[in-house]
Amino acid sequence: DAGVIQSPRHEVTEMGQEVTLRCKPISGHNSLFWYRQTMMRGLELLIYFNNNVPIDDSGMPEDRFSAKMPNASFSTLKIQPSEPRDSAVYFCASSLGLTGGHGYTFGSGTRLTVV
Amino acid sequence: RKEVEQDPGPFNVPEGATVAFNCTYSNSASQSFFWYRQDCRKEPKLLMSVYSSGNEDGRFTAQLNRASQYISLLIRDSKLSDSATYLCVVPPPASGGSYIPTFGRGTSLIVHP
Repeated sequence: DAGVIQSPRHEVTEMGQEVTLRCKPISGHNSLFWYRQTMMRGLELLIYFNNNVPIDDSGMPEDRFSAKMPNASFSTLKIQPSEPRDSAVYFCASSLGLTGGHGYTFGSGTRLTVV
Repeated sequence: RKEVEQDPGPFNVPEGATVAFNCTYSNSASQSFFWYRQDCRKEPKLLMSVYSSGNEDGRFTAQLNRASQYISLLIRDSKLSDSATYLCVVPPPASGGSYIPTFGRGTSLIVHP
């Protein structure tokens, strides 16, 4: 199994530009999570999906952030317009069901820098 | 008390040493817990689960102290490769209606020669 695949690995963009992060979960996993990690705030949950349906997006910082999961094998996190404070590592994780923390598999992350 | 608290460290220990760190939690209804390991500039990975009876996996022992609301991770005979950040994960309470765990900020461990 290739694991959770995220792209791009690194993204450097200018303030105001649109950024799209992509995630392919493990085949068969029906829960998908988008996290953001910074030194200041640690690992924060942004949004999660179960069976392709967004369940809770209360962690999304503001309207500039949006996420979709059009099918079981693909999800996107979009930031429009991007700001320097969005600079962070964004992780996607998947699991078989809502396990409460057991068996989460994280992707390698996208390191986003907004200048 | 914050939901999940960890000493950020770093814990700086020589090879071969035994090191332990704790994680305190505020929600006493949690039934099981987890330790994840995160290497520098890598993603978190599940290290081990922590149940009421504790859990041992080779040099690693995880224990739960429900009365004092903390979990611990003990590493014996530390290796250089143990250097990483260890994240404590507290699941939501079984009756709370949420399925989302809380990740601690992590404890940094540095094992030196």
